[in-house]
Amino acid sequence: EPEVTQTPSHQVTQMGQEVILRCVPISNHLYFYWYRQILGQKVEFLVSFYNNEISEKSEIFDDQFSVERPDGSNFTLKIRSTKLEDSAMYFCASMWGGGKNIQYFGAGTRLSVL
Amino acid sequence: SQQGEEDPQALSIQEGENATMNCSYKTSINNLQWYRQNSGRGLVHLILIRSNEREKHSGRLRVTLDTSKKSSSLLITASRAADTASYFCATVLYGNNRLAFGKGNQVVVIP
Repeated sequence: EPEVTQTPSHQVTQMGQEVILRCVPISNHLYFYWYRQILGQKVEFLVSFYNNEISEKSEIFDDQFSVERPDGSNFTLKIRSTKLEDSAMYFCASMWGGGKNIQYFGAGTRLSVL
Repeated sequence: SQQGEEDPQALSIQEGENATMNCSYKTSINNLQWYRQNSGRGLVHLILIRSNEREKHSGRLRVTLDTSKKSSSLLITASRAADTASYFCATVLYGNNRLAFGKGNQVVVIP
């Protein structure tokens, strides 16, 4: 069964460094998402991406965050200058969009900012 | 913003028993979905119920939706040890696709 893959599974970085989290969505899907889950808290929506542009973003997704679909298969989340509070599990999801409205999630990248 | 809220937070049951979780939300929704998360893993979609539906079944899962009370319940019948996980409800509003998750219910099924 097709699945969303995320790399790396765990990323450790120093505060102030840039990180790029990578995702390969399911190949025929058209909608792409990033969510994050701080330890012990709810899963929170960050951004949605459709037709090569951001379709919606939350208040969390500030100027430090950006997304890109550089080559038609990868979908990346960049954090320009990481903060301690960016430590979380980041989930990528994709959705076909043909009416089923089901998002398929990757296993996540655990980001630890030291 | 719209968010689901589950109740209770943690549930421990014997294998074979039923597990029921509830979720409430605050505004009108397009649909409500339930997801499962095994420890340290991603979210797995379980079932989607639309705002004009009242009940749906999928295998051992039964979901109800009461839009007048703005609440939903997830029932897992004849639970198995493999059902041990966290269960989240998530709502979707009209006009967008973002999932607004609740805090999650941790379910432990004791063999």
